[in-house]
Amino acid sequence: DAGVIQSPRHEVTEMGQEVTLRCKPISGHNSLFWYRQTMMRGLELLIYFNNNVPIDDSGMPEDRFSAKMPNASFSTLKIQPSEPRDSAVYFCASSSAGTPNTQYFGPGTRLTVL
Amino acid sequence: GENVEQHPSTLSVQEGDSAVIKCTYSDSASNYFPWYKQELGKRPQLIIDIRSNVGEKKDQRIAVTLNKTAKHFSLHITETQPEDSAVYFCACFDGNKLVFGAGTILRVKS
Repeated sequence: DAGVIQSPRHEVTEMGQEVTLRCKPISGHNSLFWYRQTMMRGLELLIYFNNNVPIDDSGMPEDRFSAKMPNASFSTLKIQPSEPRDSAVYFCASSSAGTPNTQYFGPGTRLTVL
Repeated sequence: GENVEQHPSTLSVQEGDSAVIKCTYSDSASNYFPWYKQELGKRPQLIIDIRSNVGEKKDQRIAVTLNKTAKHFSLHITETQPEDSAVYFCACFDGNKLVFGAGTILRVKS
């Protein structure tokens, strides 16, 4: 099993640019979670999906952030326009219906907005 | 909503000693309590978890205890080794999502 796959692993962009982060959950998992990690705020849940449907997006910080899950094997997190305070590590995690609480994290995307 | 407090924020131990990290939670309905280990520059990885119908669970040098009445749970690492150095996060499942503690930086000195 390849585990959760995220791309890119590192992203450096300039303020105002659009950023798209990608995630492929573990095959067969039906829940997908997007987290943001910073030193100041720790691990924050941004949004999660069950069976491709967004369930809770209360953690999405602003309208500049959006997430989609067009199918069971792919999700995107988009920031438009990006700002320096968006710099963080963004993790995607997935879990299965059999053990719905057990989440497996991807390697993360380190985003730097200049 | 659920609130998770984790202590201490940093912990230094001598190799071979034990380490204990404690978390308290606020929502008595929480029923699942995982612990994650995150090494520098890497992803959080699940190391052990416990469900509300169990008071203790062990896996080699790692154990977790749960006191539902007091609403706290603890991670115990025995015979610590340098490779145990990492950030450890506790979490609670509040029926909807995982809520994470702020993390504990564990340093094992050799």
